[in-house]
Amino acid sequence: AQSVSQHNHHVILSEAASLELGCNYSYGGTVNLFWYVQYPGQHLQLLLKYFSGDPLVKGIKGFEAEFIKSKFSFNLRKPSVQWSDTAEYFCAVIYNQGGKLIFGQGTELSVKP
Amino acid sequence: DGGITQSPKYLFRKEGQNVTLSCEQNLNHDAMYWYRQDPGQGLRLIYYSQIVNDFQKGDIAEGYSVSREKKESFPLTVTSAQKNPTAFYLCASSIATENTEAFFGQGTRLTVV
Repeated sequence: AQSVSQHNHHVILSEAASLELGCNYSYGGTVNLFWYVQYPGQHLQLLLKYFSGDPLVKGIKGFEAEFIKSKFSFNLRKPSVQWSDTAEYFCAVIYNQGGKLIFGQGTELSVKP
Repeated sequence: DGGITQSPKYLFRKEGQNVTLSCEQNLNHDAMYWYRQDPGQGLRLIYYSQIVNDFQKGDIAEGYSVSREKKESFPLTVTSAQKNPTAFYLCASSIATENTEAFFGQGTRLTVV
């Protein structure tokens, strides 16, 4: 079955620490990949996306993600987190055949000032 | 303003009653989605539609029904058969042919008492 898995449910970091959130998806043909963020009380918003080309993609607010096709992974990274990055982060995959958009379980990030 | 409107923001219903959640978009998107968000479970896909008059079941369609009679509207009915209907429901839309990122509404919190 098509699925997306995020390894970390809750991550707690101090400001300036580096961040890496894991995301793996099941094989299902060609995919487009996304990371969304949900700040407390706000809509889901797009952080970054990968469709094709350079597997290292840069998004807003200093986030980046690397697509590793052989590992079916799309991990999110940020070199130095800030208190304002406290939010829930969702990895999502759309399988191009059929257009099914699936999300992972989410990772809650808490950044201590 | 272009966007996705979900109404109402909060909804209360008695157990055993069907309830319909509204989702309207003026983005001219072909694809629309319904998700349920529960703590620790991420966004789970209920139904999605790539085109008017067509829709597919997602991963947790049991107890729900949808219709797609107009491009801009994708209402979700939570039926009395849904065993645990209290949840936060999110509607999204995207450009189907390009499998691009989805844009989200503000959500409806349904409480069944």
